Amino acid sequence: DTGVSQDPRHKITKRGQNVTFRCDPISEHNRLYWYRQTLGQGPEFLTYFQNEAQLEKSRLLSDRFSAERPKGSFSTLEIQRTEQGDSAMYLCASSLGQGARNEQFFGPGTRLTVL
Amino acid sequence: AQSVTQLGSHVSVSEGALVLLRCNYSSSVPPYLFWYVQYPNQGLQLLLKYTSAATLVKGINGFEAEFKKSETSFHLTKPSAHMSDAAEYFCAVSELWGGSQGNLIFGKGTKLSVKP
Repeated sequence: DTGVSQDPRHKITKRGQNVTFRCDPISEHNRLYWYRQTLGQGPEFLTYFQNEAQLEKSRLLSDRFSAERPKGSFSTLEIQRTEQGDSAMYLCASSLGQGARNEQFFGPGTRLTVL
Repeated sequence: AQSVTQLGSHVSVSEGALVLLRCNYSSSVPPYLFWYVQYPNQGLQLLLKYTSAATLVKGINGFEAEFKKSETSFHLTKPSAHMSDAAEYFCAVSELWGGSQGNLIFGKGTKLSVKP
């Protein structure tokens, strides 16, 4: 399968714990996006990378969130000191090129539940 | 700043009936518009996109959408609904500043139910 993959698919954690998610984009896609989707809402943009450079972060991305994309390949999203409000589906997407018109290919998401 | 409004959080149609899902956008610049579909426990799949070429855009699975600048709309239609079309549909606009950012701004989604 050459699509976008995310790991884990589901994560249950206790409030205050740290969690890390991984996204493997489609090979050679230079752009990688992270979105968060809560129940009954559309996905909301968190951050994106152009190769290894993180170029934009949404104000939704508090100081407890950090994302990396070493070597411009896979990406990780870490949430420190999780809160119940962090419970959501975290979606990763990748695209080729620099234009805003390019299709983003989405992974299946990681569903986070914070108890 | 761009934004998207989807009218109707839930639409129910009978199998074989017309599907019409509404989307209105707000943008100060010519927008790039997208429709995505999400099946339960899956990621989003692109149905179609408008990128300033033809105003009537045809997508996968028999869906199409028409860009109407005067109405700031990009409604999604399908002539005849199938049971397999039951899913959640999201309209999105590509955020533009500096000409190349490209993150998507989504509507809240419309859940489509298809009755036999």
